[in-house]
Amino acid sequence: DSGVTQTPKHLITATGQRVTLRCSPRSGDLSVYWYQQSLDQGLQFLIQYYNGEERAKGNILERFSAQQFPDLHSELNLSSLELGDSALYFCASSATGDYMDEQYFGPGTRLTVT
Amino acid sequence: LAKTTQPISMDSYEGQEVNITCSHNNIATNDYITWYQQFPSQGPRFIIQGYKTKVTNEVASLFIPADRKSSTLSLPRVSLSDTAVYYCLVGEMGYGNKLVFGAGTILRVKS
Repeated sequence: DSGVTQTPKHLITATGQRVTLRCSPRSGDLSVYWYQQSLDQGLQFLIQYYNGEERAKGNILERFSAQQFPDLHSELNLSSLELGDSALYFCASSATGDYMDEQYFGPGTRLTVT
Repeated sequence: LAKTTQPISMDSYEGQEVNITCSHNNIATNDYITWYQQFPSQGPRFIIQGYKTKVTNEVASLFIPADRKSSTLSLPRVSLSDTAVYYCLVGEMGYGNKLVFGAGTILRVKS
């Protein structure tokens, strides 16, 4: 158990819909990272927040957005969903904003878009 | 970010030592080398990180030669539960950048 929690565990929705994935970092960690893992693209970094501020951005689509709240939990919002958005979405946390610091990954949310 | 090259897959037997080598020919002076392990349908888990020579922890050793153009992750006496994907990542400590996970090495441990 990494100490990072993600909800929900599974999500099935239809194309065009919007969903919100939630992540609670390990106690004391200030950074949250979001990753998408699909069979054809592998593990892709989406975005990082550090203490409420966006710190780094990766291959995140404009239809996706994220934020980190004052209690440090984070949400990833996915809208206008397409079949290709079906993937495992992981959240990770680390103590500092340094991306090379050990990142602790959550169990993931499996999103299926039908 | 330095590009890394790893074998696509490796097979081993329980109790053997496994060495996975990663090539990173264009590693920069300030880059560190990090290895993560991932089991199916789980998030990656940090294994070890190093800059030069040798680093050892309770689960693995990381060997880095003087020119740092490659590194070897060594797993002593593997068990079936070590079957996983192993990722080698290279990058400079700091902010505003990202971990780039390649395809990794699929390690299959057989009994």
